[in-house]
Amino acid sequence: SQTIHQWPATLVQPVGSPLSLECTVEGTSNPNLYWYRQAAGRGLQLLFYSVGIGQISSEVPQNLSASRPQDRQFILSSKKLLLSDSGFYLCAWTTAGTGLNSPLHFGNGTRLTVT
Amino acid sequence: AQSVTQLGSHVSVSEGALVLLRCNYSSSVPPYLFWYVQYPNQGLQLLLKYTSAATLVKGINGFEAEFKKSETSFHLTKPSAHMSDAAEYFCAVSDRGSGNTGKLIFGQGTTLQVKP
Repeated sequence: SQTIHQWPATLVQPVGSPLSLECTVEGTSNPNLYWYRQAAGRGLQLLFYSVGIGQISSEVPQNLSASRPQDRQFILSSKKLLLSDSGFYLCAWTTAGTGLNSPLHFGNGTRLTVT
Repeated sequence: AQSVTQLGSHVSVSEGALVLLRCNYSSSVPPYLFWYVQYPNQGLQLLLKYTSAATLVKGINGFEAEFKKSETSFHLTKPSAHMSDAAEYFCAVSDRGSGNTGKLIFGQGTTLQVKP
């Protein structure tokens, strides 16, 4: 069966520090991968998605970047964190090529607090 | 472009009462719709999905949703609320304007409170 792992679960970082959040998927090949952010009291905002190794699409301009160095690995990064980067970050995957009725499968998220 | 609107950011029901969480969609093409549940500090879990096979969709944990094209709605219901149903619920629609990227567009979420 497929599983998705995200780490760390929680993170407290000072303003201006770098960030690296990692997500890996097991049990499937060539998944579509996604990074969502959930700010307090708000819905989910899609930040990045990837349909293949090295292929990254950004949905909103921001202080963050994403990379996909391996087929089932998706990394969210920042060189210098801002207070506004605080939130709950969720990684998700879906099976590529199965059509638009395939649900997303989410990891357990990373709670990032920038101080 | 597709979108979903969840009516009511907070819903409170008594244990054993009917749960009704409202979702309206906007789409120029037949939509694919989903309901997810999120417990505190966890990821989202799929409750059910509508993919045009049947208008009444049954999901996990006793939830179901009915697709009503005439009302552009996909409301989530459960006949009898349990304390364990307290969580945040999200309605989502596939972004059919983005090719086969699998992106979902989410509503703002509804927090369900269940009172003993």
